[in-house]
Amino acid sequence: DVKVTQSSRYLVKRTGEKVFLECVQDMDHENMFWYRQDPGLGLRLIYFSYDVKMKEKGDIPEGYSVSREKKERFSLILESASTNQTSMYLCASSSLGGGWFFGPGTRLTVL
Amino acid sequence: AQSVTQPDIHITVSEGASLELRCNYSYGATPYLFWYVQSPGQGLQLLLKYFSGDTLVQGIKGFEAEFKRSQSSFNLRKPSVHWSDAAEYFCAVGPNRDDKIIFGKGTRLHILP
Repeated sequence: DVKVTQSSRYLVKRTGEKVFLECVQDMDHENMFWYRQDPGLGLRLIYFSYDVKMKEKGDIPEGYSVSREKKERFSLILESASTNQTSMYLCASSSLGGGWFFGPGTRLTVL
Repeated sequence: AQSVTQPDIHITVSEGASLELRCNYSYGATPYLFWYVQSPGQGLQLLLKYFSGDTLVQGIKGFEAEFKRSQSSFNLRKPSVHWSDAAEYFCAVGPNRDDKIIFGKGTRLHILP
């Protein structure tokens, strides 16, 4: 059974903390993506990656960075968390002809 | 710029009634189109996708969607809804089946008993 897993379902952090959100896929997919989901705004693309050590900015990259050291793992980093980054974060992976798969999401609260 | 519009934020239908969720897209080339569903507290699940060929696409859970190029639409339909269909539905468009895709803001479906 194919899977995209995310390290935490719920996370609570304080303003100014450095936050790591981890995503792992076991499908040998080339492409991986990070979205945030907010009520009334749908899903917005933060960063994506087409290969190891490659990264591309999405529509809302400000305040975020990413790391892809291994093909199966794509990390989202909040360098200094702020309250406006409280959101649901969704990771996805895809490959040519293989379709898209989403993880269960991490609900992050920044206090 | 490419975009996806879901005109209805909320829709309420009675159980057993038919359903149509609207989706309009703006894209400069042949689009790849998707519908996803998200049940409360769950991740996104792909209902169906259109890449090419027959413009009427069948998906899981009894859903179908029709691609109409002239109207730039990809509306989702189901002939008879079940209470378990209550969820949020997202339409999405992409440049190709594996590249980044852009989501609409979603339509939340409520089912009356």
